[in-house]
Amino acid sequence: EVKLVESGGGLVQPGRSLKLSCAASGFNFNDYWMGWVRQAPGKGLEWIGEINKDSSTINYTPSLKDKFTISRDNAQNTLYLQMSKLGSEDTAIYYCARDWELYFDYWGQGVMVTVSS
Amino acid sequence: DIQMTQSPASLSASLEEIVTITCQASQDIGNWLAWYQQKPGKSPQLLIYDATSLADGVPSRFSGSRSGTQYSLKISRLQVEDIGSYYCQQAHSNPWTFGGGTKLELK
Repeated sequence: EVKLVESGGGLVQPGRSLKLSCAASGFNFNDYWMGWVRQAPGKGLEWIGEINKDSSTINYTPSLKDKFTISRDNAQNTLYLQMSKLGSEDTAIYYCARDWELYFDYWGQGVMVTVSS
Repeated sequence: DIQMTQSPASLSASLEEIVTITCQASQDIGNWLAWYQQKPGKSPQLLIYDATSLADGVPSRFSGSRSGTQYSLKISRLQVEDIGSYYCQQAHSNPWTFGGGTKLELK
């Protein structure tokens, strides 16, 4: 069974940094691109970015490229999202997702990040 | 960036009714389009990919179609478990973009 479990969320002060993790199991992690998507409270889905199998290609939505960094550890079957200079606009549920043929076929349960003083 | 304009933003329908949601792409994206369902409090789930292909395990009452740069998701006979929000996503050009979503409620 494919499972994606995010962790590392919580309350963070404006301007600070936070690193999310996504532990993958039930499939060969090395064989898939992986991505991050977020959803602000009561709002729609926003694609953050993606990383290819060997980390040689990482794509971001332009507005987040200077704030967020995606990485992965294939030995640990784990995907990461490093977020910096956080503002209230970054308050959202953050989902990791498996990228299958350019679409997201499995999603984690999501982790809440709240940016507030 | 490619803009995906989804309509309606909200929709109220009765059980067994036919429901149609549309997405208009700002430019040609071919068949590079997916539809996702998000039930309240849950993660999104892939319903349709490549504009018309049904994802594994998705009931056959769901279908996707394309006319030029307009894409449609049709639910042939609405069931109570279909209640939630629906999103389209284009996979033609980076950055991938989602439509604004359609919230489907029971009348």
